[in-house]
Amino acid sequence: NAGVTQTPKFRVLKTGQSMTLLCAQDMNHEYMYWYRQDPGMGLRLIHYSVGEGTTAKGEVPDGYNVSRLKKQNFLLGLESAAPSQTSVYFCATRTALYSNQPQHFGDGTRLSIL
Amino acid sequence: GIQVEQSPPDLILQEGANSTLRCNFSDSVNNLQWFHQNPWGQLINLFYIPSGTKQNGRLSATTVATERYSLLYISSSQTTDSGVYFCAAAYSGNTPLVFGKGTRLSVIA
Repeated sequence: NAGVTQTPKFRVLKTGQSMTLLCAQDMNHEYMYWYRQDPGMGLRLIHYSVGEGTTAKGEVPDGYNVSRLKKQNFLLGLESAAPSQTSVYFCATRTALYSNQPQHFGDGTRLSIL
Repeated sequence: GIQVEQSPPDLILQEGANSTLRCNFSDSVNNLQWFHQNPWGQLINLFYIPSGTKQNGRLSATTVATERYSLLYISSSQTTDSGVYFCAAAYSGNTPLVFGKGTRLSVIA
């Protein structure tokens, strides 16, 4: 999707390894979100940020950390990957200027933990 | 927190048929959105519709906020409509969306 870029697109990790997923946006949006999608579960919110330097926990934050040092980037970290973190991860953004604006999603990162 | 339930979980349609997808939510919301996830996994916003009715081509949506449900109508379905349709709700535009588990739609030629 235009405006929200996730890297990498695919990654395979071994249990215990660490990695960072990057979400970059060029729409100057204040709000950024990290979701995970598992089969039959819909999207569940991991962490989110309402602005540069701020982060908050979502529904399933355990095992993840995030940082928002720059407005355009939102990083999701796995310090010690576990097989239960195998999932597809989506980043989303939204403007804070108007309340009636939709969320915009990146194309996702497919992560497998062996 | 808000609970979002979608029905049916799965739907198979013949090309050209019409369908209605339903989304029930547990609390008063001021933010209700419909998304389509295509077979390649991309999530596309269809409607921002906390109340009222909107139409976009063959798709339309209606939200009755007082009765806590929203409906997505697909008319004259095409194979490209296949995918998963998600409803998501939040208390306000500034609070995170809660997603339902989705309706998987398969349109066959």
